[in-house]
Amino acid sequence: DSGVTQTPKHLITATGQRVTLRCSPRSGDLSVYWYQQSLDQGLQFLIQYYNGEERAKGNILERFSAQQFPDLHSELNLSSLELGDSALYFCASKSGDPNTGELFFGEGSRLTVL
Amino acid sequence: GQNIDQPTEMTATEGAIVQINCTYQTSGFNGLFWYQQHAGEAPTFLSYNVLDGLEEKGRFSSFLSRSKGYSYLLLKELQMKDSASYLCAVLPPSGSARQLTFGSGTQLTVLP
Repeated sequence: DSGVTQTPKHLITATGQRVTLRCSPRSGDLSVYWYQQSLDQGLQFLIQYYNGEERAKGNILERFSAQQFPDLHSELNLSSLELGDSALYFCASKSGDPNTGELFFGEGSRLTVL
Repeated sequence: GQNIDQPTEMTATEGAIVQINCTYQTSGFNGLFWYQQHAGEAPTFLSYNVLDGLEEKGRFSSFLSRSKGYSYLLLKELQMKDSASYLCAVLPPSGSARQLTFGSGTQLTVLP
């Protein structure tokens, strides 16, 4: 158990719909990262938050957005869903130590768009 | 940017030794990570190298050569449960956004 909690574990929805994925980082971790992993694809970085502020953006579509709340949990919002958005979405957290790069991953949210 | 290459698939026999290579070309570097990921599960941390040389941790060892942009993960005494994807990831230098960039992973199959 990494200490990172993601909900829901599984989600099935239709094209055009909107979903919200939730992540609670490890206790004390200020950084939250979102990654997308499609079938047979590597982990693609989407976005990073640090203590409530957006720190970095990766290959995140404009239809996707995220935020980190004062209690440090984060939400990833996916809208106007397309078939190609079907993937595993991982949240990861990291301690505030800038010299430690280890990410702790949640179990992921598996999104299926039909 | 970051460019990370690792073989797509490897097969080995239970009890054997396997070496998974990773090469990278980056505009900056502050360490290399190896993660293990079983199908449909979260990646789990295996090792971290920031200096040249070999880091040993039980059956797993990781090697780094910064001048060559090269790393390998060595798995000894392979077990069936080692069948998984092994992800090489590079950490950018301090001062930049600290997100890990992952390679596409090497799918290792351990045969009896």
